[in-house]
Amino acid sequence: DTAVSQTPKYLVTQMGNDKSIKCEQNLGHDTMYWYKQDSKKFLKIMFSYNNKELIINETVPNRFSPKSPDKAHLNLHINSLELGDSAVYFCASSQGGANVLTFGAGSRLTVL
Amino acid sequence: AQSVAQPEDQVNVAEGNPLTVKCTYSVSGNPYLFWYVQYPNRGLQFLLKYITGDNLVKGSYGFEAEFNKSQTSFHLKKPSALVSDSALYFCAVRALYSSASKIIFGSGTRLSIRP
Repeated sequence: DTAVSQTPKYLVTQMGNDKSIKCEQNLGHDTMYWYKQDSKKFLKIMFSYNNKELIINETVPNRFSPKSPDKAHLNLHINSLELGDSAVYFCASSQGGANVLTFGAGSRLTVL
Repeated sequence: AQSVAQPEDQVNVAEGNPLTVKCTYSVSGNPYLFWYVQYPNRGLQFLLKYITGDNLVKGSYGFEAEFNKSQTSFHLKKPSALVSDSALYFCAVRALYSSASKIIFGSGTRLSIRP
């Protein structure tokens, strides 16, 4: 049983399109995150939700909209995709904020 | 500003030799420090953490890390490297963010172990 699962694993799309990435965790954690890893492997936090409430929103374009329907799910919707959005997006979860993170396998987004 | 730095992009070690991957940090208050490992096309995996207590922390796969408050460092170590240790290693620190806190990561160090 995968602890943190993300879909899709790979996503190739054209500029200007809208896409979503889904994340689910079965660990019973109360906090979930989206991180972005660029081509140089830098890993940067984008959003964090605690019990469905947004608690961290970094300087991310408002084309990115997270949604947490319940504390086991955190989805990421991206509007009007740009070339610079190409990256690997990681979902993670933890019990309590800023504790040990359990990561998903990542979703590689390529914008053409 | 709260930050974590990994000064080496790459560390090369012969199998069987000891290894060290360096990390320094800057945070407000007491540091919560972490090491993660990333294998190709995988998510990050937790190795170990320091919150309080003994300055030498032991973790998964025979790794350990030493917390040094005066030098604001948290170097990752292993007495005898294995080829299978080759991966990307990230140091991370808990940073305060308004009323919440977040984990911020260093830039990563690629560890290469040669047979």
